[in-house]
Amino acid sequence: EAGVAQSPRYKIIEKRQSVAFWCNPISGHATLYWYQQILGQGPKLLIQFQNNGVVDDSQLPKDRFSAERLKGVDSTLKIQPAKLEDSAVYLCASSPGTGRGQPQHFGDGTRLSIL
Amino acid sequence: GENVEQHPSTLSVQEGDSAVIKCTYSDSASNYFPWYKQELGKGSQLIIDIRSNVGEKKDQRIAVTLNKTAKHFSLHITETQPEDSAVYFCAAYSTGGGNKLTFGTGTQLKVEL
Repeated sequence: EAGVAQSPRYKIIEKRQSVAFWCNPISGHATLYWYQQILGQGPKLLIQFQNNGVVDDSQLPKDRFSAERLKGVDSTLKIQPAKLEDSAVYLCASSPGTGRGQPQHFGDGTRLSIL
Repeated sequence: GENVEQHPSTLSVQEGDSAVIKCTYSDSASNYFPWYKQELGKGSQLIIDIRSNVGEKKDQRIAVTLNKTAKHFSLHITETQPEDSAVYFCAAYSTGGGNKLTFGTGTQLKVEL
């Protein structure tokens, strides 16, 4: 089966600019996650969707980050305006559901550099 | 919330030797523990996982053990090969304070020829 697709692979922007990332989960996976991974750290959950509804966005900096999954399939994550500390790899993952810790499958990520 | 600690941060072994990576977690409600392998420029690949009702699980050269009482779990790789070189992350899935995975800080494994 096709894996989680993410684009772009790399993005370089200046601080205060805007950027958007796209993710297409594994077909049939109801749950979609966005993670931020700063160099030298493990992934940190930003937001979790179940179909097109938000399950957990408690760690999403809502003053600058937004995400949507309008049709319950692919998703976009936006940062506006970007800050230097947003430099990280943004990972998308999907799983069939959320019950009892279902395996999450990750995409290759988008590496964001803020100048 | 859940806190996962991972050691060591770097590990260098000779090809053919075994490698062990250890993680501890804080939330006794955690019930699922996956391990991910992250190669340079790639996303994280799930390599093995274990649930709280099992003490040990093995898949070819990879095994994971879980001690619920001590709240720690370990990844064991035997007969290491150069292609095992990568960053390995442990994670714990907690149902307390929100259903989500909390990751360790990663272990850079280098298998030397």
